[in-house]
Amino acid sequence: AQSVTQLGSHVSVSEGALVLLRCNYSSSVPPYLFWYVQYPNQGLQLLLKYTTGATLVKGINGFEAEFKKSETSFHLTKPSAHMSDAAEYFCAVSATGNQFYFGTGTSLTVIP
Amino acid sequence: GAVVSQHPSRVICKSGTSVKIECRSLDFQATTMFWYRQFPKQSLMLMATSNEGSKATYEQGVEKDKFLINHASLTLSTLTVTSAHPEDSSFYICSASRLAGATNTQYFGPGTRLTVL
Repeated sequence: AQSVTQLGSHVSVSEGALVLLRCNYSSSVPPYLFWYVQYPNQGLQLLLKYTTGATLVKGINGFEAEFKKSETSFHLTKPSAHMSDAAEYFCAVSATGNQFYFGTGTSLTVIP
Repeated sequence: GAVVSQHPSRVICKSGTSVKIECRSLDFQATTMFWYRQFPKQSLMLMATSNEGSKATYEQGVEKDKFLINHASLTLSTLTVTSAHPEDSSFYICSASRLAGATNTQYFGPGTRLTVL
């Protein structure tokens, strides 16, 4: 079985500051891990994914995430927040890349 | 990147009527599609897995007679909310699975906002 926990339902950062969104997972098999972003009244857009290989994954819009098996974590980071980063972010885990299980989401606010 | 569309984007209907939502993969064939619902300020909840040419697989607690899924072709899956009631009001999102390299990647549609009066 797979599950995801996102710590912090709301995160606020100043424009230009580091963004850190936390995700911990539980999986009985080696997981596929994903981060998605959702803007109001829109679907989900894939930011990045980890399947195998390099544990530091770079995605779109300057985001990256590191798969840490020992910590069962897949935290999302961005060195410098931009106003356009304000959105809802979802971490997801999958055993096969098909059925996804999402975290409860983290709402990111960027303060000018 | 791969594109998944949904139609309609918004629908308002009266209680007791049925509503059909379409999900299309525009530039790839998807043997598997998924339907999610999302309540305000909550996460996505997987409702069912739609397989082309076979019956959908529903998650526990999802009424299959209420949420009818038909995966008629490799590019189209439909979700019909039958006898809709106000509690069915939600944001419904589909996704289509595409093999990218050795792994599947999900591509999500833009969602359909259903409001039942």
